[in-house]
Amino acid sequence: AQTVTQSQPEMSVQEAETVTLSCTYDTSESDYYLFWYKQPPSRQMILVIRQEAYKQQNATENRFSVNFQKAAKSFSLKISDSQLGDAAMYFCAKGRGADGLTFGKGTHLIIQP
Amino acid sequence: GAVVSQHPSRVICKSGTSVKIECRSLDFQATTMFWYRQFPKQSLMLMATSNEGSKATYEQGVEKDKFLINHASLTLSTLTVTSAHPEDSSFYICSAFPDGKDYEQYFGPGTRLTVT
Repeated sequence: AQTVTQSQPEMSVQEAETVTLSCTYDTSESDYYLFWYKQPPSRQMILVIRQEAYKQQNATENRFSVNFQKAAKSFSLKISDSQLGDAAMYFCAKGRGADGLTFGKGTHLIIQP
Repeated sequence: GAVVSQHPSRVICKSGTSVKIECRSLDFQATTMFWYRQFPKQSLMLMATSNEGSKATYEQGVEKDKFLINHASLTLSTLTVTSAHPEDSSFYICSAFPDGKDYEQYFGPGTRLTVT
């Protein structure tokens, strides 16, 4: 079974600081996608960033960037200039085409004002 | 664009009854939709893949006779929890995979089911 592992159940960061959330995964496939989703208290899943496995360049979306290490099967999320609105559960997920996603257990991110 | 709705957002039913949850893609067609289940303070677990015009594909351990899925059109999938019991209480989330896209699926807002 494919697994996605998030080893940090909870992380805390001061507002305006930088925080990195870790994610590792297991796969035998060469072509797949990796995602970071944010789930605020409303429970609505919000896509933060995605990475195509065949692309070596790390994806970036404004204050959010990833460090994708394909050989190590690692996919960490860096949030720069943390804001109070970033507080949420963050889930790392893996998928391939029109397949359902496999999610990690999540990291609860707390932003200290 | 790319909005997915779910109805109802909350439902309370009595043990032994059945409840239907609808998932609609409002502005795109989706041959494929997914149903996930999320227990409190836990992750999303894929339950089944819903395909328009064909039988759903269930993940290992998911009872297909308890969780009936019907994907009758390119914009609607329904999940019916039959003979519900308190242990079926959970947060159910659907997602829709737009036709012609390579990777991104859009999530509905979820349905909280409470079985008393």
